[in-house]
Amino acid sequence: DIQMTQSPSSLSASVGDRVTITCQASQDISNYLNWYQQKPGKAPKLLIYDASNLETGVPSRFSGSGSGTDFTFTISSLQPEDIATYYCQQYDNLPRTFGQGTKVEIK
Amino acid sequence: QVQLQESGPGLVKPSQTLSLTCTVSGGSISSGSYYWSWIRQPAGKGLEWIGRIYTSGSTNYNPSLKSRVTISVDTSKNQFSLKLSSVTAADTAVYYCAREVVVVPAAMDYYYYMDVWGKGTTVTVSS
Repeated sequence: DIQMTQSPSSLSASVGDRVTITCQASQDISNYLNWYQQKPGKAPKLLIYDASNLETGVPSRFSGSGSGTDFTFTISSLQPEDIATYYCQQYDNLPRTFGQGTKVEIK
Repeated sequence: QVQLQESGPGLVKPSQTLSLTCTVSGGSISSGSYYWSWIRQPAGKGLEWIGRIYTSGSTNYNPSLKSRVTISVDTSKNQFSLKLSSVTAADTAVYYCAREVVVVPAAMDYYYYMDVWGKGTTVTVSS
């Protein structure tokens, strides 16, 4: 299985701050990476696919980059409604695997 | 738009079989290039992919669960189902069904992503 490692596991930032989450794959997965947002008690929601493509309807403050084994997810200006846990997920191979999640809180 | 809804018992006894159904509304389960997937999440933990089924009936399972998992599809009811046998407390989780899209924008390139999710259903394994 491809292991996905996110960092940090949690972070606290102020409204308006730039927030960055990293995701590292245990092997080269090209750009075959998605990012999801999960709010408490809710199902995950797709934000970014193919490492950098913004899903329709997702605010432009969210972005993704990277390829190979190292990927970055950025919120350019943190908003109160962005409080959630964020997961990366690879689709280079089966089984699909997710990072352990990064919990984002407001300072 | 397409919506998914999980249903099934919320409590299962140890050693028994967990059975869940995902009903697809707003579209046909047979149309398009989609895989129909199951993912679970123990309380306070991360997401674990269980497996998926294509509308042709072709399945893929997580090797960690493969000996206990069966995913099937009923196109006449627009539903797909999950069976997990010989459950233990470790199988207690929120179970989600999801649609995985396949996009082939160009030769030798593809995207897969889970764009529609059910709300999830909590299954507790306890006697």
